[in-house]
Amino acid sequence: HSALTQPASVSGAPGQSITISCTGTSIDVGGYNYVSWYQHHPGKAPKLMIYDVSQRPSGVSDRFSGSKSGYTASLTISGLQAEDEADYYCSSYRIGITWEFGGGTKLTVL
Amino acid sequence: EVQLVESGGGLVQPGGSLRLSCAASGFAFNYYAMAWVRQPPGKGLEWVSAISAGSENIYYADSVKGRFTISRDNSKSTLYLQINSLRAEDTALYYCVTKPAGQNYFDYWGQGTLVTGSS
Repeated sequence: HSALTQPASVSGAPGQSITISCTGTSIDVGGYNYVSWYQHHPGKAPKLMIYDVSQRPSGVSDRFSGSKSGYTASLTISGLQAEDEADYYCSSYRIGITWEFGGGTKLTVL
Repeated sequence: EVQLVESGGGLVQPGGSLRLSCAASGFAFNYYAMAWVRQPPGKGLEWVSAISAGSENIYYADSVKGRFTISRDNSKSTLYLQINSLRAEDTALYYCVTKPAGQNYFDYWGQGTLVTGSS
């Protein structure tokens, strides 16, 4: 059981936009602006895509964006490309100085 | 280029111990907090433990508290995770990750080392 709730899967056609949600509570997502998102291609190291809800690390495409409303954070990928097909995980700081992850969302590019 | 190379994983009987290592290069190791994140087979990511740059502050997930010990040797740019009283549910790919000091995200990840708890 993951502390943060993500949909198990999402899909979209090339060029379209998709959004992945990440729902927590008042002691994690809702209480802090410390949500991050990671892209994970199986067999490779996960990659940081978004930090502090909406900040993009240097080198990450601006097709990736993040936002938050209340207890739910979202990752939006616009202009879907085949290479975006991967697992995506959200993470949040949680009260008590711990960090937690969502269960992961498998993105399929149709 | 940041490189994190984990080692020390393997097959261990429940109740056993092992020590994971992570050799870091390509960045100022002694200025970075570090952490371990694991992924059980077919499941999602789970934060395990974190340590501040100078080892003053150490944190553990409840699931490993009292059994795992994180440490670091800044002179060797190496992070460690001592795993004791291994349980079957500790079976996972263990990733070494960097955590910028004072920040709440993990910016670089290693390839992971596999720990299997089974008799």
